[in-house]
Amino acid sequence: TQLLEQSPQFLSIQEGENLTVYCNSSSVFSSLQWYRQEPGEGPVLLVTVVTGGEVKKLKRLTFQFGDARKDSSLHITAAQPGDTGLYLCAVKGGSNYKLTFGKGTLLTVNP
Amino acid sequence: DVKVTQSSRYLVKRTGEKVFLECVQDMDHENMFWYRQDPGLGLRLIYFSYDVKMKEKGDIPEGYSVSREKKERFSLILESASTNQTSMYLCASRRTSGKSDTQYFGPGTRLTVL
Repeated sequence: TQLLEQSPQFLSIQEGENLTVYCNSSSVFSSLQWYRQEPGEGPVLLVTVVTGGEVKKLKRLTFQFGDARKDSSLHITAAQPGDTGLYLCAVKGGSNYKLTFGKGTLLTVNP
Repeated sequence: DVKVTQSSRYLVKRTGEKVFLECVQDMDHENMFWYRQDPGLGLRLIYFSYDVKMKEKGDIPEGYSVSREKKERFSLILESASTNQTSMYLCASRRTSGKSDTQYFGPGTRLTVL
């Protein structure tokens, strides 16, 4: 069983559309991170959420941490081709050093 | 800006060869990581190092070893490459600040084993 379930696995939309992707678990976390990986590059941290119910905004991206700290969502408004990439959520794993990643949502924004 | 560099973007090797993947970070981070990324399987941790000369197995260490002789450099070694080690290999370096941890990734090495 995956610790983090991300949905949808794939998403292809037109420029200007809105979208939401999800990261779900049955476990409670002290914090959760979202990374974006552009084609041919390594993942880059977008945000860390730490408080249940917390909402953080990064330009057209809105991140929410669930009240029970078990899940999170990422909403993109008016998507642009530059938003294309693999969106990964991650939480601290079994030890203090490790992160466990979800499998990601591969987003394609078509011009 | 933190920079994590990897020695090669693309690498092609033959079965049975010994393969070295090098990773260097310039921010004096104690922790470094090696992942592999495969379609449908996500990022899987191979090994990590929490300090110089210290290492710990990740989730899939079989067929790999690592070396951390200097703080800035973390090497992944495939002792005898096999075709099932064809993958994207990502190195990361970690900064810790309070409750949050940030991992900084290199651009990846796409390894093909023939």
